Amino acid sequence: EAAVTQSPRNKVAVTGGKVTLSCNQTNNHNNMYWYRQDTGHGLRLIHYSYGAGSTEKGDIPDGYKASRPSQENFSLILELATPSQTSVYFCASGDGGGGDAEQFFGPGTRLTVL
Amino acid sequence: QQKVQQSPESLIVPEGGMASLNCTSSDRNVDYFWWYRQHSGKSPKMLMSIFSNGEKEEGRFTVHLNKASLHTSLHIRDSQPSDSALYLCAARASSGSWQLIFGSGTQLTVMP
Repeated sequence: EAAVTQSPRNKVAVTGGKVTLSCNQTNNHNNMYWYRQDTGHGLRLIHYSYGAGSTEKGDIPDGYKASRPSQENFSLILELATPSQTSVYFCASGDGGGGDAEQFFGPGTRLTVL
Repeated sequence: QQKVQQSPESLIVPEGGMASLNCTSSDRNVDYFWWYRQHSGKSPKMLMSIFSNGEKEEGRFTVHLNKASLHTSLHIRDSQPSDSALYLCAARASSGSWQLIFGSGTQLTVMP
């Protein structure tokens, strides 16, 4: 089965601080995604990547950067964290855009910005 | 306004009953649809997908799709307490895209 891991699982940060969320996948998928989940909003796409070295903006990229140094790893960076970025963050991996483009999700990171 | 809208927001059904969940896209560019299930405190996992008009059945779960109206529905018969979860509908953003657009979900509770 697909394996996506995230670290840390929980994080408390201070306003203005830098936060890095990490994601690793062992599926050899080309595509990786970062979402945030808030009550009433479902999953919203922040950044995604088609492969090592590539990052693309999703629907809500403001305040976030992404880095894809290798096929396996995809990071989400909050340079100046704000309380509005308190949320649960999910990383996912998948391949293709066709009908079988299932995305496999990591366990999530709960981020609290004080 | 969200491009993928789900209804109802929450649903309570008795054990053994039928649960019916709805999802409609307001974006004419979407084509394929997925249903994901997310148990409390867990990550979403794909439940079913549908790409052609009609219906698809897997065990107690049936999905319908009407591509003309961009409406899909998920029906769970003989609902079990273990089916209690957040059900998320997702649509592919546009032809050839790798992006999924998620709705805000339907919270299903199956009462024993």
